Amino acid sequence: AQSVTQLGSHVSVSEGALVLLRCNYSSSVPPYLFWYVQYPNQGLQLLLKYTTGATLVKGINGFEAEFKKSETSFHLTKPSAHMSDAAEYFCAVSPASGGSYIPTFGRGTSLIVHP
Amino acid sequence: DVKVTQSSRYLVKRTGEKVFLECVQDMDHENMFWYRQDPGLGLRLIYFSYDVKMKEKGDIPEGYSVSREKKERFSLILESASTNQTSMYLCAIQGSGKNIQYFGAGTRLSVL
Repeated sequence: AQSVTQLGSHVSVSEGALVLLRCNYSSSVPPYLFWYVQYPNQGLQLLLKYTTGATLVKGINGFEAEFKKSETSFHLTKPSAHMSDAAEYFCAVSPASGGSYIPTFGRGTSLIVHP
Repeated sequence: DVKVTQSSRYLVKRTGEKVFLECVQDMDHENMFWYRQDPGLGLRLIYFSYDVKMKEKGDIPEGYSVSREKKERFSLILESASTNQTSMYLCAIQGSGKNIQYFGAGTRLSVL
């Protein structure tokens, strides 16, 4: 069984400020972890993923996330927010083994960027 | 570039109508999925398919059915649309043994 909790349905930052979107997961097997982004009126697209190896992963548009097994977390960060980062962000987890690769998604966090 | 095409971006239907949502992929991926997305609830899996003519229920299959007659096409069917099926519907594909999903742009369905 697996689940994802995204803390905060909305996060508001000023342009140029640090972005921090929180994601905690539970999984009965080692997980693969993902962040997806959804811009207005579009489908989801992959931002970054953790499968194995380095726990700090870098994605597109300057985002990165760190897998912390002891904290069961995979928080997404960006040093400096840009207006174009305003979107919905989804964290997802899928099993790294066991045959089923179907992801479980969090409820999403809407990032609002103020000028 | 991966292409997942959903036939309609916006649909308005009446209660009781039969509704077809179509999804076509150009990647030859085995796995195809239908989700609905509602504010505050994230993505919920309706149905998925691992192969032609094969389907599996997801978390919220009630009121929906699916059809996969060809590998590249996966259809979601609302046999008798109801107002509580007003939502954004997202189709996704996933390669066998892979973890990344690729999404279509979505169909925003309103049932009046």
